[in-house]
Amino acid sequence: DQQVKQNSPSLSVQEGRISILNCDYTNSMFDYFLWYKKYPAEGPTFLISISSIKDKNEDGRFTVFLNKSAKHLSLHIVPSQPGDSAVYFCAASVIQGAQKLVFGQGTRLTINP
Amino acid sequence: DAGITQSPRHKVTETGTPVTLRCHQTENHRYMYWYRQDPGHGLRLIHYSYGVKDTDKGEVSDGYSVSRSKTEDFLLTLESATSSQTSVYFCAISQTVITPNTGELFFGEGSRLTVL
Repeated sequence: DQQVKQNSPSLSVQEGRISILNCDYTNSMFDYFLWYKKYPAEGPTFLISISSIKDKNEDGRFTVFLNKSAKHLSLHIVPSQPGDSAVYFCAASVIQGAQKLVFGQGTRLTINP
Repeated sequence: DAGITQSPRHKVTETGTPVTLRCHQTENHRYMYWYRQDPGHGLRLIHYSYGVKDTDKGEVSDGYSVSRSKTEDFLLTLESATSSQTSVYFCAISQTVITPNTGELFFGEGSRLTVL
């Protein structure tokens, strides 16, 4: 049972436009959500996170939105740059006693010049 | 970059042979994890450790065992490798549990294992 789902395996966006990556979760106990970015032949690296007490968190060009009622979060990248081309993983955890993250399947983002 | 070294980085083996992957960290972080990455599944937790000799199962632990005899080393063993264990394996570390105010998961560069 996939508790965290990224239903779009890939996304192609023009440079300078907005990239929107989506993630859905089923476990209502999740209260902390993270996005990781992965380049080929490298390990994932942390990008941005949000706790369930917020509905938005912004860091430079990256913004994460959380809709708890819909159990949905999204990552917005504005403006998109060629260096943003990577695989993006959504992850979730339960803060209390949390020792592990549950990851989604990943979305491959390609930014076209 | 977090000091995480995985070895070997690439390995090809045959079905039924034992395989051990090593993760070595120089950060003195308490928590260590083994994930596998497969197309369509993303990253799935195999086992994790919350201290020396303290380990627990993740969501895909069948066919795998782990050991942590020192803070810096976390070993993942496939007792008898199968083709379904062909994957890219990532070690990760964190200083504390992952919360909004503390902790972050740092990943190694991965070990690609092919079981023929």
